[in-house]
Amino acid sequence: DVKVTQSSRYLVKRTGEKVFLECVQDMDHENMFWYRQDPGLGLRLIYFSYDVKMKEKGDIPEGYSVSREKKERFSLILESASTNQTSMYLCASRPGTGSGNTIYFGEGSWLTVV
Amino acid sequence: AQTVTQSQPEMSVQEAETVTLSCTYDTSESDYYLFWYKQPPSRQMILVIRQEAYKQQNATENRFSVNFQKAAKSFSLKISDSQLGDAAMYFCVIWDNNNDMRFGAGTRLTVKP
Repeated sequence: DVKVTQSSRYLVKRTGEKVFLECVQDMDHENMFWYRQDPGLGLRLIYFSYDVKMKEKGDIPEGYSVSREKKERFSLILESASTNQTSMYLCASRPGTGSGNTIYFGEGSWLTVV
Repeated sequence: AQTVTQSQPEMSVQEAETVTLSCTYDTSESDYYLFWYKQPPSRQMILVIRQEAYKQQNATENRFSVNFQKAAKSFSLKISDSQLGDAAMYFCVIWDNNNDMRFGAGTRLTVKP
């Protein structure tokens, strides 16, 4: 069964802290994504990666960075957390090329920055 | 850039009845895919149905069907015989060959027993 696992479901961090959100998929997918979900805004793409060590900015990359050292793992990094980064973060993956491939989501990570 | 508009922030339906969720989109691409995703309170995104833009026939998955109007750029979701488990946030999504995937703001569906 397809599995995208986000290591932390709920986190509370202080302003200025460095935050790591980890995502692992077990489907050998090339593409991985990080979205941010806020009420009334839907899901907005932060970064995506189509291969190991490759990354592309999405719509709202400011304040975030990513790392993909292994195919199965895609990490989202908040270098210095701020209160406006309080949100729900969703990781997703999908196989190879072809826009019709289904995208699979993790369960989400709730981040509160105080 | 592609955009997706869901004009109904909230909808409600009586159990066993039918409800239609609206979605319009804008794209300059001729080849793209459309999806409806469901997000229940557990927050796990679940694919409900998908439609290839080059197919004229509307997709159907059990109680879920779409009305795809390509010229009007409309992609509505119909849920028949609504069940309590259908209560969720529903997202309309467009995805093109450039890896550009756009979500609507979502429609929260409540099912009344």
